[in-house]
Amino acid sequence: AQSVTQLGSHVSVSEGALVLLRCNYSSSVPPYLFWYVQYPNQGLQLLLKYTSAATLVKGINGFEAEFKKSETSFHLTKPSAHMSDAAEYFCAVSEGSGGYNKLIFGAGTRLAVHP
Amino acid sequence: DVKVTQSSRYLVKRTGEKVFLECVQDMDHENMFWYRQDPGLGLRLIYFSYDVKMKEKGDIPEGYSVSREKKERFSLILESASTNQTSMYLCASMVWGLNQPQHFGDGTRLSIL
Repeated sequence: AQSVTQLGSHVSVSEGALVLLRCNYSSSVPPYLFWYVQYPNQGLQLLLKYTSAATLVKGINGFEAEFKKSETSFHLTKPSAHMSDAAEYFCAVSEGSGGYNKLIFGAGTRLAVHP
Repeated sequence: DVKVTQSSRYLVKRTGEKVFLECVQDMDHENMFWYRQDPGLGLRLIYFSYDVKMKEKGDIPEGYSVSREKKERFSLILESASTNQTSMYLCASMVWGLNQPQHFGDGTRLSIL
């Protein structure tokens, strides 16, 4: 079965600093990977997805993620943090079997941005 | 844009009540999901459905049931609500395909008193 590990339940950065949120996956087949963002009291919003077309994936709000097969990683980065980036971020891997498919989510990383 | 609508943003119920949470999607998606989200525990899958009248248990189905009579609607039912079911509940839908994302509603924050 697939699994996702997000290192660091809380990350704090200064405004303007690099954002790095870590995600490692476990998958027996080439994975499809996703990053979601959740703002307070809202549902999850798709930031970006990896579907094997390119290893560097650009998403919304200036975020990007790089797929590294050798490291089984899909870390999320943003060159310069903004106060509005404060939210919870979830990494997910797609899993399919028989007649259905679903996403396996990591536990999430809460990003704080301070002035 | 895909729209997933959950019927209530906030709900307060009493212990022992039967509670219905409704979710509607407007994109003809085959798959629909119910999660609960608690601090420090991330998203946990309760039930999902890949077709009308079909349902599959997720990771934490105890104390819950679901209904999918129409493709666009997926209901979560708490048969006899308990205080440990106080949580944020999220509904999602997706089309077939391992490379497809899930689309989420805004969530229902349910309090059981």
